[in-house]
Amino acid sequence: QVQLVQSGAEVKKPGASVRISCKASGYTFTDSYIHWVRQGPGQGLEWMGWIVPKSGDTNYAQKLKGWVTMTRDTSISTAYMELNRLKSDDTATYYCARGDVVYSLDVWGQGTTVTVSS
Amino acid sequence: EIVLTQSLGTLSLSPGERATLSCRASQSVNSNYFAWYQQNPGQAPRLLIYGASSRAAGIPDRFSGSGSGTDFTLTISRLEPEDFTVYYCQQYGSSPITFGQGTRLEIK
Repeated sequence: QVQLVQSGAEVKKPGASVRISCKASGYTFTDSYIHWVRQGPGQGLEWMGWIVPKSGDTNYAQKLKGWVTMTRDTSISTAYMELNRLKSDDTATYYCARGDVVYSLDVWGQGTTVTVSS
Repeated sequence: EIVLTQSLGTLSLSPGERATLSCRASQSVNSNYFAWYQQNPGQAPRLLIYGASSRAAGIPDRFSGSGSGTDFTLTISRLEPEDFTVYYCQQYGSSPITFGQGTRLEIK
């Protein structure tokens, strides 16, 4: 079946970087966008950006430009999201999701918890 | 940026009742690009409705969406116990994609 499987939980110190992976299966990876969405503890959903696996094109939320990078490796159907210069308020669960112009975000990864603490 | 406001932070109803959740946009949204999600505790969001009124695959027909312009509604016709959780609206026609802050549906 169609699924996205994310890498495991991370604990980082302030100022460090984190890279999360999102492996797609059950569909053609290059046929859809991959979006990243985060959710702070007890908070709502915040869209971070998307990557087009076919071309590598990206579109980041304005507030994250300069410190988020989304990449992909089509040979292993995997997307990556790297966040730099982590702060305590980056503590959140990070989700990847398959994006479609019609269906929006129809398949989600299980989430990766990132804890930023000194 | 289009701001989505879900006016009810919490809605208290009983199983079997009808739930109406609303979402208002700060500017007009193309209804082809409006969605609703359900999120259970500790789980990823699940797509319920896309294109404002189309049910996603596997979603029971007690869930329906409507609306256009700046006002959108998610209706659950007869609440089941598993429906008591959090719901988010989303627009995806304009960048950045934005979500409402969520409505929690709780058992009265």
